[in-house]
Amino acid sequence: EIVLTQSPATLSLSPGERATLSCRASQSVGSSLGWYQQKPGQAPRLLIYDASNRATGIPARFSASGSGTDFTLTISSLEPEDFAVYYCQHRTNWWTFGQGTKVEIK
Amino acid sequence: EVQMLESGGGLVQPGGSLRLSCAASGFVFGSYAMIWVRQAPGKGLEWVSCISGDGSKTYYADSVKGRFTISSDKSKDTLYLQMNSLRAEDTAIYYCAKLGPPNTSVYFQHWGQGTLVTVSS
Repeated sequence: EIVLTQSPATLSLSPGERATLSCRASQSVGSSLGWYQQKPGQAPRLLIYDASNRATGIPARFSASGSGTDFTLTISSLEPEDFAVYYCQHRTNWWTFGQGTKVEIK
Repeated sequence: EVQMLESGGGLVQPGGSLRLSCAASGFVFGSYAMIWVRQAPGKGLEWVSCISGDGSKTYYADSVKGRFTISSDKSKDTLYLQMNSLRAEDTAIYYCAKLGPPNTSVYFQHWGQGTLVTVSS
């Protein structure tokens, strides 16, 4: 089964700064990768599908890229509501998630 | 607007049973696979069980196989998870989610708010 490894585990940034999150797959997943945001006490929310497509209603400050084994989620300028945990996800036979990156206020 | 509302969580003793429900609305329930995902306290996300849109196919994570049963009722647009022989390690928030796109069911497009299951004596 494919393993997704996210880095860093924690990212400490200030509002207005740029956030760059990484997700690496243990073998190629093509472009079949999603990103989710989870705020404290809330369910996750789909941000990105197929590696680079924003889901409905997701602000343009969220962008993503990558293919194969290396993927990146970028938040161009952090808003206060963006401080959360972010997960990458893929499906082969089953659904797998990365362990998450926490974006916290510096 | 797509909505999913879970219910049925609570405190149960080890070895006990619970039945979770997820009432869905805002989409054609039978056209999408549905899935249960759980999150142990302070931990990441783990898929638990999935059912195809027509209810004919079910899938289980190894950690729950033989103990949990997923089902759906299209007349009520409701998803269920029957959990038997519960263990302490089943303690988690359980989310139901709608998978998409319909032909590949790769992504968790919409999520419920979750229901907490605590297994403890």
